[in-house]
Amino acid sequence: KAGVTQTPRYLIKTRGQQVTLSCSPISGHRSVSWYQQTPGQGLQFLFEYFSETQRNKGNFPGRFSGRQFSNSRSEMNVSTLELGDSALYLCASSISGHEKLFFGSGTQLSVL
Amino acid sequence: ELKVEQNPLFLSMQEGKNYTIYCNYSTTSDRLYWYRQDPGKSLESLFVLLSNGAVKQEGRLMASLDTKARLSTLHITAAVHDLSATYFCAVAGGTSYGKLTFGQGTILTVHP
Repeated sequence: KAGVTQTPRYLIKTRGQQVTLSCSPISGHRSVSWYQQTPGQGLQFLFEYFSETQRNKGNFPGRFSGRQFSNSRSEMNVSTLELGDSALYLCASSISGHEKLFFGSGTQLSVL
Repeated sequence: ELKVEQNPLFLSMQEGKNYTIYCNYSTTSDRLYWYRQDPGKSLESLFVLLSNGAVKQEGRLMASLDTKARLSTLHITAAVHDLSATYFCAVAGGTSYGKLTFGQGTILTVHP
């Protein structure tokens, strides 16, 4: 059974650009969550989607957005990138969000 | 606001020794998770604890949950080098589904 797949694995952008990250959950999983990991702030929740609806949102500015498609695949978008957005972005999936979360390998974003 | 605190944040152990990592959280929760992260890698699920008094063991690791004290412990028995990693506890509150609040992480180093 394939795990959670995140693409791309690495990304380098410059300030002011925008970026889109992709996450394909485990087959049959309908909940997808996104987390940001930085050395200074640790792991922080961004948002969670279930059946194409955002169910929870963390304390991030509106530059961070996401969506989920009918096949449960999810994307997150960050607009007007800032240096502080450099981080490892992790996607996690679960059947309904109420069970163990399985994490992908992450996308390492560097903003120059 | 749910807060999760781990201690210690850094743990240097000799092989063969025992030690415990503590995870305190601030509000009632019905789910607590332990994850392991190796450098440059994603999060690997270790344990899911769902009820007061829950105890789970896998190899040299044992996790327990005391919901009344809002405390979980991860006990390491006879440490070996392969256990060197960062360990996170994470707590989900109420109907927050895929939203987890993580502790700061405990960096464990096991040396001969």
